[in-house]
Amino acid sequence: GAVVSQHPSRVICKSGTSVKIECRSLDFQATTMFWYRQFPKKSLMLMATSNEGSKATYEQGVEKDKFLINHASLTLSTLTVTSAHPEDSSFYICSASIFPAGGPGEQYFGPGTRLTVT
Amino acid sequence: AQSVTQPDIHITVSEGASLELRCNYSYGATPYLFWYVQSPGQGLQLLLKYFSGDTLVQGIKGFEAEFKRSQSSFNLRKPSVHWSDAAEYFCAAYGNKLVFGAGTILRVKS
Repeated sequence: GAVVSQHPSRVICKSGTSVKIECRSLDFQATTMFWYRQFPKKSLMLMATSNEGSKATYEQGVEKDKFLINHASLTLSTLTVTSAHPEDSSFYICSASIFPAGGPGEQYFGPGTRLTVT
Repeated sequence: AQSVTQPDIHITVSEGASLELRCNYSYGATPYLFWYVQSPGQGLQLLLKYFSGDTLVQGIKGFEAEFKRSQSSFNLRKPSVHWSDAAEYFCAAYGNKLVFGAGTILRVKS
């Protein structure tokens, strides 16, 4: 149980285009979903937290207009990288939790999406 | 500020040898603590977690971790490493969000 999927697993796009990444909880309803970014040889940095039906909460330094997050249902959240540039190339990982954002609960992680912007 | 430190970037051990990966945290109060493993190009898999109670926590794949409040540490251990354990290991702490350490890459020599 507690499986989270991401699609696509890899995407290459041209500079200036937008890319959408989907995160789905397959066998549970996720009250909260999280988006992380992992730079090469570095740790995961939380980008934003989203609750179903409400606006995402972005971490300091993350551009909300560039990284659009939609959490339309209890099993789906999307991250859209708008007007992508090479510096946006990274590994993006989502996670999902049955607990509200304020709770400590375990997060279940997706397999990640490798974005390359050329 | 809340932080998690993993002092060792790389560790190499021989197959069958014991393993200890270090993790220290800096929080105002004891956070919830986790260890995750990540294989190349993959997401994170939870190995174990500590919320409260017994300070020695058993996880999957034969891993265990010990919470030591006096040292603000939560070190991960395994008595006998297998080649399949080669991966990157992340310690994480939850105060009001999940904060990760920088990770330790484990290499296993045959």
